[in-house]
Amino acid sequence: DTAVSQTPKYLVTQMGNDKSIKCEQNLGHDTMYWYKQDSKKFLKIMFSYNNKELIINETVPNRFSPKSPDKAHLNLHINSLELGDSAVYFCASSHETSGDNEQFFGPGTRLTVL
Amino acid sequence: GENVEQHPSTLSVQEGDSAVIKCTYSDSASNYFPWYKQELGKGPQLIIDIRSNVGEKKDQRIAVTLNKTAKHFSLHITETQPEDSAVYFCAASSDYKLSFGAGTTVTVRA
Repeated sequence: DTAVSQTPKYLVTQMGNDKSIKCEQNLGHDTMYWYKQDSKKFLKIMFSYNNKELIINETVPNRFSPKSPDKAHLNLHINSLELGDSAVYFCASSHETSGDNEQFFGPGTRLTVL
Repeated sequence: GENVEQHPSTLSVQEGDSAVIKCTYSDSASNYFPWYKQELGKGPQLIIDIRSNVGEKKDQRIAVTLNKTAKHFSLHITETQPEDSAVYFCAASSDYKLSFGAGTTVTVRA
């Protein structure tokens, strides 16, 4: 049974389009995250949510809007996609918000903007 | 904010040899230092972590050391095996978030 799942695994789209990535965790965790991993493998946090409330927003453009319908789901919607948005996006979850406990990562969504 | 530097960026070792990856951090308030392993096409997975009140921790072939005074911590893998080939990330926790190092690609030669 997958702990943190993301859909889709691959996403290829044209510049200017709007797309969403879905994430679900079945671990009963209160905190969920979105990370961006660029072509050089650098992993950077974008957002974190605790029980549907935004905790961290790391100077991400307004075109990125996370949505948390409940504490088991954190979706990422991206408007007006740009070439620089091409990356692998990882969803993660953890038991607590403090940052000092294990984070469980999903398998990633590879986004390619043409 | 926290800045984590990681070296080397690539590491090639003979099977059975040891591998060492080193990281430094900038924020003296950081108190949690995990190491993640990322295999090709997968998400990162925690392999070991250490808290600021501990100087060393070991789990089978993997060990981590922490020097809070110098603000650096290291991952040691002994008796490397082909399945240890992956990208390894160190991280430091402060302000409710993890800041990751740039990663080390480890290749174990058979």
